[in-house]
Amino acid sequence: GQNIDQPTEMTATEGAIVQINCTYQTSGFNGLFWYKQHAGEAPTFLSYNVLDGLEEKGRFSSFLSRSKGYSYLLLKELQMKDSASYLCAVRDGNAGNMLTFGGGTRLMVKP
Amino acid sequence: EAGVVQSPRYKIIEKKQPVAFWCNPISGHNTLYWYRQNLGQGPELLIRYENEEAVDDSQLPKDRFSAERLKGVDSTLKIQPAELGDSAVYLCASSSRRNRDNYGYTFGSGTRLTVV
Repeated sequence: GQNIDQPTEMTATEGAIVQINCTYQTSGFNGLFWYKQHAGEAPTFLSYNVLDGLEEKGRFSSFLSRSKGYSYLLLKELQMKDSASYLCAVRDGNAGNMLTFGGGTRLMVKP
Repeated sequence: EAGVVQSPRYKIIEKKQPVAFWCNPISGHNTLYWYRQNLGQGPELLIRYENEEAVDDSQLPKDRFSAERLKGVDSTLKIQPAELGDSAVYLCASSSRRNRDNYGYTFGSGTRLTVV
C-alpha cells in the first residue's frame, strides 16, 4: 500500500520562498510527481523525480530522497498566481505505474 | 494534440438518479484511469484500464458504480443510483507505455457532480 503525507495548508508572502514537504511510504517506488491544481480545474504536471537530488525548472525545484521517503517542492519569487493546491504523487511500479496522490497542500500567497 | 476530453463538465442530479460520465483519452494512450476527488482532498483511484481490460478496480464501489472501455479507447463511468456522498469531481487521465518514464498522466478537466 501507499501512504503519502503533506501539509494541508500553507501561507506565504509574494516574492518569498516556500517549501512544501511530502513524505511517503510505498512498496514499489518508481518516481515522484508534483502537480499544481487550481480550484475546479484538472491537475497540471510540475515536476518528476526518480533519482535522489534536486531538479530545477525556473522558479520551481523539486527534491527527492528515496532512502528517507521524502520530497519537497520549492517555489521561489512567489507570485499571486502561485496560489493553488500542490499535489504530491508517487508512482508504484508494482501496480502498473499507478499514481497515488497525497491530500494536497493549499498554498495561499498574500501581498 | 488534443488532450483528455471529458463530458459533461458539470452535472447536477437528484439522489437515486443514474448518471454517466464520458472520457476520450489521448490518442494512442493505452492506460486510462478514473479518479474521484473530494473537495480539499487529492484524487483517489477508482479504476484503471490497460487497453480494454480493467486491471485494478479494487476501489470502485461495485454496488452502484460501473465502468467500461469498449475497444480500448473511450470510457464511461456510471453511477446508479447516485447518493449524496457521490458529490465530487470525477477525473479521467491517460498515459502511454512509450512515455512511462516521465510526465505521469495527462488529466482531463473533470466532471463536477453534485447530488442533491
